[in-house]
Amino acid sequence: NAGVTQTPKFQVLKTGQSMTLQCAQDMNHEYMSWYRQDPGMGLRLIHYSVGAGITDQGEVPNGYNVSRSTTEDFPLRLLSAAPSQTSVYFCASTISVRGRVTGELFFGEGSRLTVL
Amino acid sequence: AQKVTQAQTEISVVEKEDVTLDCVYETRDTTYYLFWYKQPPSGELVFLIRRNSFDEQNEISGRYSWNFQKSTSSFNFTITASQVVDSAVYFCALSEALLVNFGNEKLTFGTGTRLTIIP
Repeated sequence: NAGVTQTPKFQVLKTGQSMTLQCAQDMNHEYMSWYRQDPGMGLRLIHYSVGAGITDQGEVPNGYNVSRSTTEDFPLRLLSAAPSQTSVYFCASTISVRGRVTGELFFGEGSRLTVL
Repeated sequence: AQKVTQAQTEISVVEKEDVTLDCVYETRDTTYYLFWYKQPPSGELVFLIRRNSFDEQNEISGRYSWNFQKSTSSFNFTITASQVVDSAVYFCALSEALLVNFGNEKLTFGTGTRLTIIP
């Protein structure tokens, strides 16, 4: 059972570089999301999607882009990396019913990003 | 705006003691869901429980129990007879949607409580 797969697990970038964090799920979940985890800040929502072709901003969207061309994939793009984007990133998916997250989120293993 | 507060940043208890992790939430919605997740030192996030706003019955699962009180907007988590394997960061989370339309659903996490069980 693959569940939610994130790649890469570790990445070091230089300021100004761009990169894409990949996220794929094989559970046919409509809802997918990206969180970042920083010490003392908990998990903060970056972007989320309630289905293919539909995305919306979360709490901390600046500096990140997303797209949802298929149900399975939800990549997160860093356009011009900054040291403030050093964090652990988690992708998650779940079933959503009438616009609500009603079930457990299934998380990927996380991607640790360091921006120098 | 929804908000989840976990006022206890870190807690340490000796093994076999009971411990309660507090979670207080704010919402204007009448229908919402509350969750608890565990993040052990290995880093993955593990789902523990989901509770909807219409179900105030407390739940027990082995050594774990949850006390949901709408009157105080709290959803506290108690571990009985704690064990070293319970050492982790625990997150409380809230899901609400003020409008029943796509694009308004979010799951908000608290800042987490780091629990250390001392052998």
